[in-house]
Amino acid sequence: TQLLEQSPQFLSIQEGENLTVYCNSSSVFSSLQWYRQEPGEGPVLLVTVVTGGEVKKLKRLTFQFGDARKDSSLHITAAQPGDTGLYLCAGPTGGGNKLTFGTGTQLKVEL
Amino acid sequence: DAGVIQSPRHEVTEMGQEVTLRCKPISGHDYLFWYRQTMMRGLELLIYFNNNVPIDDSGMPEDRFSAKMPNASFSTLKIQPSEPRDSAVYFCASSRRLAGYTDTQYFGPGTRLTVL
Repeated sequence: TQLLEQSPQFLSIQEGENLTVYCNSSSVFSSLQWYRQEPGEGPVLLVTVVTGGEVKKLKRLTFQFGDARKDSSLHITAAQPGDTGLYLCAGPTGGGNKLTFGTGTQLKVEL
Repeated sequence: DAGVIQSPRHEVTEMGQEVTLRCKPISGHDYLFWYRQTMMRGLELLIYFNNNVPIDDSGMPEDRFSAKMPNASFSTLKIQPSEPRDSAVYFCASSRRLAGYTDTQYFGPGTRLTVL
């Protein structure tokens, strides 16, 4: 079974701080996705990374896929209250026939 | 365009009762997924369909759970009989292609189920 472990599990920071969330596995993934879930809603895709070493930026969010394609990170610069939510990484498993989600990081950004 | 639609948004029922959750996927999407989310176990895939046919139901926890997709625009997840440990948020998602091809899964708002 391909598992995705995320750290930290919970993170509470002040507005303006920087943070990094990690997604790790012992297995190689062909790609990884990052989703954000806000309270009372379903997860929404933020980005997909497909190449080892790839870096993608989405405004203040920077996503990196590890060279060996076993891990990924999400870095947020100057966090804002609107960044509050549950961040989930996800990768294809079962021969690419389904998506396995990570354990999640609950982020709270306070004023 | 409308996103994935789920109903009801909230369901409170008593142990032993039958519960039916409903989902309308995005038009044109060939794949439909049912997930369950709890604090303890996170987001788990229960079952997925391709062109209305169940492909993988290995995540369905017990025989008390069943899912159907009678047509391309409607799916149900049924729990009979329900138990308190079934309390969770159930999500439906749809996509054009499988995750292995890095396509996007679009999630509905979820149904929060509470079994007393």
